[in-house]
This record gives sequence, C-alpha cells and structure tokens, in this order.
Amino acid sequence: AQSVAQPEDQVNVAEGNPLTVKCTYSVSGNPYLFWYVQYPNRGLQFLLKYITGDNLVKGSYGFEAEFNKSQTSFHLKKPSALVSDSALYFCAVRDLSRDDKIIFGKGTRLHILP
Amino acid sequence: DAGVTQSPTHLIKTRGQHVTLRCSPISGHKSVSWYQQVLGQGPQFIFQYYEKEERGRGNFPDRFSARQFPNYSSELNVNALLLGDSALYLCASSLSSNQPQHFGDGTRLSIL
Repeated sequence: AQSVAQPEDQVNVAEGNPLTVKCTYSVSGNPYLFWYVQYPNRGLQFLLKYITGDNLVKGSYGFEAEFNKSQTSFHLKKPSALVSDSALYFCAVRDLSRDDKIIFGKGTRLHILP
Repeated sequence: DAGVTQSPTHLIKTRGQHVTLRCSPISGHKSVSWYQQVLGQGPQFIFQYYEKEERGRGNFPDRFSARQFPNYSSELNVNALLLGDSALYLCASSLSSNQPQHFGDGTRLSIL
C-alpha cells in the first residue's frame, strides 16, 4: 500500500534561515508526490508535485522539493524562511491503484521565528 | 476564475441527524474528491467521483454516501451522525489523475 511519513510534528526555524520539512514515501511503482500547505481555517493549497523528470522540483512561494529515489524521500525546502511561511505542511502520494486517491501524511507544523 | 467552493462553511448538528455538504468544482474539472480532516491529523480520503461515477471509496462506513451531478458539482451525505464525525470536510477537484487536486476551504461540521 502507498504511504507517506512525516517524522516531525513541528519544525522551528529562524526567519531568513533555510528550512527543510521531511517526508518519506512507500509506493509500488512510480511515485506521484505532492506538497500542500494549510493555513488556519482554510483548505489545502497546492505547492508542488513530482511525477517524472528532474529530481529538484520548484513550486509556489519559493518552495522546492528534492526527490531522492534511493532514500525514498521527498523533502520540502526553502532557502530563506519568511514568518508568513508558518503553517501546516502535508506531504502526499497519489495512489493510482484501484482507488484513485491522495494519501496524506499527518502533517508538520512549521514555525518561523522572527 | 472561481476556485472550489463548498457550502455551508460551518454546521452544527446533533447525534443521529443527517447532513448534506455541497461542493462546486473549478470550471472544467470533472473529478471531485471528498476528504475528512479530524483536528490534528491529515485529510483522510472518503470518495472520488469522475464523470458522475464513483471511482474510489475510502474506509468509511455506509453512513457516508456521495453523488456527482451532470454539472460536476457534488454532495456528500452522512446519516446517523456520531460525535466522531466532527471534522473539517474538504472537497477537491482536478482535471485528471496525475494533476494536482485543488481544495476548497471546507465545511466545519460539529456534532453535539
């Protein structure tokens, strides 16, 4: 079965520093991987996706993610954090088996400290 | 262009009642999915519809049902509400399977 794991419940980063939010995945076949962000009392906003191609994927708001097949990881990164990046981040994998659905990790709360 | 819209935004019900949640996808999107997000957890897949047919069903009891209309809007119905059904219910639409899903802001359902 497809799954994703986000090992950190919370990540704290000082404003201006680089940030990384970790995600590992388990899939059969080629992975379709996504990152979403959720602000309080809002739905999820799409940040970026990996389907095929370059291992470094660039997305919205200056975020990027690195796909590493050997480590089965898809970590979210940003070179310089902003206070406004504080939110809940979800890694997800698309399960194209019998049910076409997205499987989400439990989420990582990112706090950017001024 | 309008995004995914959901109604109502908030709803309070009591145990045993039923509820209908509504979703309008982005124009041109034929796929609609429903998710339940309990506080502190990631969204859990409930249903997916494509071209008015059910394409996927998550691990939810038969009290949960859904349908998609000819204009691709969708309804999620939950019968015999339980306290544990209190959650944020999210609707998402997409163009096709390998395209990102776009989410609405959800319906916050509280069961008293």
